[in-house]
Amino acid sequence: GAVVSQHPSRVICKSGTSVKIECRSLDFQATTMFWYRQFPKQSLMLMATSNEGSKATYEQGVEKDKFLINHASLTLSTLTVTSAHPEDSSFYICSAGGLAGTDTQYFGPGTRLTVL
Amino acid sequence: GEDVEQSLFLSVREGDSSVINCTYTDSSSTYLYWYKQEPGAGLQLLTYIFSNMDMKQDQRLTVLLNKKDKHLSLRIADTQTGDSAIYFCAESAPSGTYKYIFGTGTRLKVLA
Repeated sequence: GAVVSQHPSRVICKSGTSVKIECRSLDFQATTMFWYRQFPKQSLMLMATSNEGSKATYEQGVEKDKFLINHASLTLSTLTVTSAHPEDSSFYICSAGGLAGTDTQYFGPGTRLTVL
Repeated sequence: GEDVEQSLFLSVREGDSSVINCTYTDSSSTYLYWYKQEPGAGLQLLTYIFSNMDMKQDQRLTVLLNKKDKHLSLRIADTQTGDSAIYFCAESAPSGTYKYIFGTGTRLKVLA
């Protein structure tokens, strides 16, 4: 149980285009979903926290207009990187939490974004 | 401050035990976690410990928690080459937010 999927697993796009990444909790309802960014050989950097049906809470320094987050249902959150540039190239990981009685986050497999 | 520290690298021989250490600063954390990340993959939950426990054992994994020193460790018995990965500790932020504070990660390399 507690499986989280991400799609796509890998995407290459041209500079200036927008890319949407989906995060789904497959077998539980996720009250809260998180979006992280991970640079090579570094830890995870929290970008934003999203709760179903409400606006995402962004961490300091993360541009909300650049990284659009939608959490339309208890099983789906999306991250859209708008007008992507090479510096947005990274590994993006989502997680889902809210399984009753625990603070545990369950992570997706990640999405490798490369912007040319 | 909210800093979770780990040593960056650990190398062990196959069959030996590995001990990965973590120090944290937020004594109000309810849960502390260990995750494993293999190359190009997401994080796999290995185990977690509730803050009122001192020890938790799960097959080859043993977690020790010293709340006084804010020290958490993960011991892997009979380490195998498949255990080679990056290991992250994480502490839960104030209850209800589900946010984590991640450690810097320890890269474990198991030598055959």
